Amino acid sequence: EPEVTQTPSHQVTQMGQEVILRCVPISNHLYFYWYRQILGQKVEFLVSFYNNEISEKSEIFDDQFSVERPDGSNFTLKIRSTKLEDSAMYFCASSVAVGYTFGSGTRLTVV
Amino acid sequence: QKEVEQNSGPLSVPEGAIASLNCTYSDRGSQSFFWYRQYSGKSPELIMSIYSNGDKEDGRFTAQLNKASQYVSLLIRDSQPSDSATYLCAVNDSGGSNYKLTFGKGTLLTVNP
Repeated sequence: EPEVTQTPSHQVTQMGQEVILRCVPISNHLYFYWYRQILGQKVEFLVSFYNNEISEKSEIFDDQFSVERPDGSNFTLKIRSTKLEDSAMYFCASSVAVGYTFGSGTRLTVV
Repeated sequence: QKEVEQNSGPLSVPEGAIASLNCTYSDRGSQSFFWYRQYSGKSPELIMSIYSNGDKEDGRFTAQLNKASQYVSLLIRDSQPSDSATYLCAVNDSGGSNYKLTFGKGTLLTVNP
């Protein structure tokens, strides 16, 4: 069964450093998303991406965040200057339409 | 602010029993509703989707939707210890673009052998 692949599975970074989280969506999917889940809290929408541009972003997705689809397969989330409160699980997802498949996630720990 | 509310639990049922999980949502325009299962430390896994009022069955799972009451439920028949997980209700945001989902906080289900 096709999968959404995320790397790395766990990243530890120092506060103020830049991180890039990587995702390979399912190949025939058109819509791509990033969500995050702080420990013990809800899964929260960050951004959706379609046709090579951001289609919607949440208030969490401020100027410190950016997304990119640098080639035909990868979809990345960059956090420019990490804060302690960015520590969370970050999930990539992709879909053809509504109801999507999540990747296994990247646990980001900011110290 | 669009909200999806679930009882956080824990909901504890004996093996073989029916587990009933409930969800209410605030966005009256929502058209698509999902149940995801999340094991501790893992990503959400889609188990059911429902789009119209009534019941939808898939194996041991039945999703129920009542748009007038803004209520979605999930029944798990013949519960197994492997069903022990957090169940997330997710609702498509009617005002957003491209299938954005709003999630509830989830209900922790424990199935006791």
